Formats: sequence, structure tokens, C-alpha cells
Amino acid sequence: GAGVSQSPRYKVAKRGQDVALRCDPISGHVSLFWYQQALGQGPEFLTYFQNEAQLDKSGLPSDRFFAERPEGSVSTLKIQRTQQEDSAVYLCASSQQFGGGNTEAFFGQGTRLTVV
Amino acid sequence: GNSVTQMEGPVTLSEEAFLTINCTYTATGYPSLFWYVQYPGEGLQLLLKATKADDKGSNKGFEATYRKETTSFHLEKGSVQVSDSAVYFCALSRGGGGADGLTFGKGTHLIIQP
Repeated sequence: GAGVSQSPRYKVAKRGQDVALRCDPISGHVSLFWYQQALGQGPEFLTYFQNEAQLDKSGLPSDRFFAERPEGSVSTLKIQRTQQEDSAVYLCASSQQFGGGNTEAFFGQGTRLTVV
Repeated sequence: GNSVTQMEGPVTLSEEAFLTINCTYTATGYPSLFWYVQYPGEGLQLLLKATKADDKGSNKGFEATYRKETTSFHLEKGSVQVSDSAVYFCALSRGGGGADGLTFGKGTHLIIQP
């Protein structure tokens, strides 16, 4: 596609409900990132994939958060037993190749999750 | 760990004014530095970047210079326009080697009045 696509754009979940957030990266992009952005804050790193391999999940806040990218393209971020503190915008980004800071990351518009 | 501090907003300026948004960082090693911009209703977009000390990134009239001695990457523009109204994020690469993500500042909301 033309850019990184995330769905749904908005999600309201009842506390304790499981949610799944989808990211379609730019076709051919090797690297994929998930970030969490709380209201009034900058994005915070959650996890990173290179193709289908999850190379870094150090930013996931708890074991309720799980991400996968089984075929090295589409990725899903799953949150189990949602809590109010999970309310945030979840951003996905992809980049063409790994290569340290020289590689531009392209961001989707995010999924705004509200837990009530 | 790495961290970024940028000036709090909102910053309100008149059209054609000079803009500076301060950004300082703490990092181990030699990170790359970035400014991202988020226009209303849109996703984050890379505005400019610098990959080593004394490099100057520039785009759309914006500039920032990687100052290792002061650990700073201040964003400047000589004459702002209403269309520059957006939220600006300073960021640095999380680690060496590999596209392993970014550490962001909290963002600065810029409002340009006609």
C-alpha cells in the first residue's frame, strides 16, 4: 500500500476484555515497530520485528501484551485483560531495512484504545 | 538509558517569526538524532535527521545541528508559516546497529497565528 495502515482507528474496550490491533506495513519493509503514546506524551517503544523475528520486546509493559508478525508482513498487537492504564494511541512504524539510525521509519495514524 | 528533553508547549508565534524548539539528549554511544512532525489528523512524519556530530539536517526551511559538546539538537526555522502548526517530536535512536527503534521527547505543540 501507499503507507502504513492500522486498524481499527478507534477501539473502546471494557476493562478485562482482550483486544487485537492490526498493522499493515509498507510492502517490502523489513523492520516493524510498535509504540504506545499516552495523552500528552511522546511515543514509547514497545517492540521490534525484523521480518518475522521479534528481536526486541523490552518495551512491552506487562505479559498481557503480545505481538506477532508470523509471515514477516502484517503484525498484530494483542492486549489481554485490558486495564484503564492501557488507554493510549498505539502506533506502528515500518522501515525498508535495518541499518541503525540511517533508516527512516514511516508511521501509521495509530489506533486509539480507550478502556472503560 | 537514552532520554530526550524538549521544551514544553504550546509555543505560539506570529507568522514570519523566528522559531527555535530546544532539544537536549542523554545517550550512550553515538546515536542518530531526528525531528518528527505530526500535523493535525496525520501520522508522524520524519522532518529531518543527523547521524553524526556537527551534521546539519534540513528540510522545508527547518534546520537542526547535532551538537555533541552540548548534547543538543535544537530545531530552527527563520520564518514560520501557519501551515507549520503541528506537534514536533525530537527523537534519538535507541541503540547502535540495526533499526531498533527510537526514543522520543514529549513533543512541542507549535501554533502559528496569521
